[in-house]
Amino acid sequence: NAGVTQTPKFRVLKTGQSMTLLCAQDMNHEYMYWYRQDPGMGLRLIHYSVGEGTTAKGEVPDGYNVSRLKKQNFLLGLESAAPSQTSVYFCASSPNGAGRNTEAFFGQGTRLTVV
Amino acid sequence: LAKTTQPISMDSYEGQEVNITCSHNNIATNDYITWYQQFPSQGPRFIIQGYKTKVTNEVASLFIPADRKSSTLSLPRVSLSDTAVYYCLVGPLNRDDKIIFGKGTRLHILP
Repeated sequence: NAGVTQTPKFRVLKTGQSMTLLCAQDMNHEYMYWYRQDPGMGLRLIHYSVGEGTTAKGEVPDGYNVSRLKKQNFLLGLESAAPSQTSVYFCASSPNGAGRNTEAFFGQGTRLTVV
Repeated sequence: LAKTTQPISMDSYEGQEVNITCSHNNIATNDYITWYQQFPSQGPRFIIQGYKTKVTNEVASLFIPADRKSSTLSLPRVSLSDTAVYYCLVGPLNRDDKIIFGKGTRLHILP
């Protein structure tokens, strides 16, 4: 059982380049989330989705776009990468939103460096 | 969303019981309390969740007093492998679908 898979695991971008991070889950979860984590910090929510075809902004959405065309996939896009977007990105999925019986499952992370 | 406050860091020794307390003074009636564990270079992992009194599983216990304004994660007989960051989350039920993390508590287990 793969759970939540993130692609790629590592990437180096030049300032101004674009890229897409892919998150795939095989648990048929409705909810999916993208977070970033900077050194010594907690996770900050970028965008999330409550179901196929829906997206919503989190705490730090600027500079990122997302799409949820298929239930199992949640894509995070950087249109014009900036050094401030150097971070580790985590994707998560959950059968429910925040609250009772919520157990979010996380991927292994994508380490992104923007130079 | 109910805000949580945890100690930034804690140290303990192998074999000891570790208690990490989280304050959530403005917890709402429908809010549940959830704890996650994160090892270096890994995504967080669910540990335990509760609403009131005490919850226990194979990994930890969660103690919640009657007023629910705080909660304590208890890790029995810790080992070096319990060195991690522990996050306390308070989740609203059916009001908001966001899962918001704070800065967590960095637990360091010493030999």
